[in-house]
Amino acid sequence: QQNVQQSPESLIVPEGARTSLNCTFSDSASQYFWWYRQHSGKAPKALMSIFSNGEKEEGRFTIHLNKASLHFSLHIRDSQPSDSALYLCAPGTGGYKVVFGSGTRLLVSP
Amino acid sequence: GGIITQTPKFLIGQEGQKLTLKCQQNFNHDTMYWYRQDSGKGLRLIYYSITENDLQKGDLSEGYDASREKKSSFSLTVTSAQKNEMAVFLCASSTQGNYAEQFFGPGTRLTVL
Repeated sequence: QQNVQQSPESLIVPEGARTSLNCTFSDSASQYFWWYRQHSGKAPKALMSIFSNGEKEEGRFTIHLNKASLHFSLHIRDSQPSDSALYLCAPGTGGYKVVFGSGTRLLVSP
Repeated sequence: GGIITQTPKFLIGQEGQKLTLKCQQNFNHDTMYWYRQDSGKGLRLIYYSITENDLQKGDLSEGYDASREKKSSFSLTVTSAQKNEMAVFLCASSTQGNYAEQFFGPGTRLTVL
């Protein structure tokens, strides 16, 4: 049974700051790792994913994955007020059941 | 591209009432999901369906039933609505399980009086 934990629960950062969000998972069979972003009142939308250990960068966003430590993280460079949202992580094991973390609520203050 | 539609957008029911939420997708995806999201919280899986006529229970299935009679549609029934229950129910679909990106509908907001 996959157990997914996110930290911190909430975060307030000034505009322009670097932000780090964390996700730990329990199932070592996890192979694919997703971050979703949900703006207030909207549906969640996929932000980025990673398959291999290491790092993946897309614009201001970077995912770090360390499968051995059962941990992956999302880093946002030069945070913008438009980044304010609920961030959800979801590790995938290759099955069909999806387990999301409880989310990190990010507020970027102008 | 495709779209997921959920009806109704808002649903108000009475305690003990049976309530049905509907979801349609035109992605031609095999797998569909129902999640519950309490205010400001994460997503909890209620039911999922790998293909037409398949049903699998998630971690929060008690108090709910589901139906997948067509590939494009997935319905969720609250069997007996609980007073003060308030949540958003999100439908999602994907091509092939938890490796693939999930596409979400806009949600149905439930209020039970």
